[in-house]
Amino acid sequence: GAGVSQSPSNKVTEKGKDVELRCDPISGHTALYWYRQSLGQGLEFLIYFQGNSAPDKSGLPSDRFSAERTGGSVSTLTIQRTQQEDSAVYLCASSYLAPGTGELFFGEGSRLTVL
Amino acid sequence: AQSVTQLDSQVPVFEEAPVELRCNYSSSVSVYLFWYVQYPNQGLQLLLKYLSGSTLVESINGFEAEFNKSQTSFHLRKPSVHISDTAEYFCAVSDLPSNTGKLIFGQGTTLQVKP
Repeated sequence: GAGVSQSPSNKVTEKGKDVELRCDPISGHTALYWYRQSLGQGLEFLIYFQGNSAPDKSGLPSDRFSAERTGGSVSTLTIQRTQQEDSAVYLCASSYLAPGTGELFFGEGSRLTVL
Repeated sequence: AQSVTQLDSQVPVFEEAPVELRCNYSSSVSVYLFWYVQYPNQGLQLLLKYLSGSTLVESINGFEAEFNKSQTSFHLRKPSVHISDTAEYFCAVSDLPSNTGKLIFGQGTTLQVKP
């Protein structure tokens, strides 16, 4: 399809394991965002990419979290040594309009459960 | 720093009744404001947005929101709801000072339309 694609849709892992979440944005969208949606917490910004660079990483909650983007397209969010509090839905969004106009297109998310 | 407060976590309403979902924001600069909707088991979709001009903005499915600068509000309204409007609604403000296009979201309001 033409939308933002995320995988896996569901991931169950054991505490202490590493996980990788993938985002394939809409073709041509230069801006890419990762958010985290926890129950009752709304959407929490994690990181912003413009092309392959990440000028805003201010939302990453700890150094266990990292993300990269290659070829100005696919992005991977990596969580090392997962903890139970990392359980959430991780959402990816992309955009092509000028910053601030808000046309973010979201994927359906990757639900992470840490046992 | 900018922030968004959605005053109601859940709003139950009967079909064909009017509804208002409240949103207040805090910002020291001009803002762009948005409402996103998340239907069950789907990704977030843009419902409507205010960038400039008329303070009353409308969506294609009958929702409207009014930007009130003096009250720093952007409440969402619909005169007559349908069962299909059952969803989670998120109010958001664009973080214009960062020029990243990232959105700061409220905690969400679950609209439950009952027959």
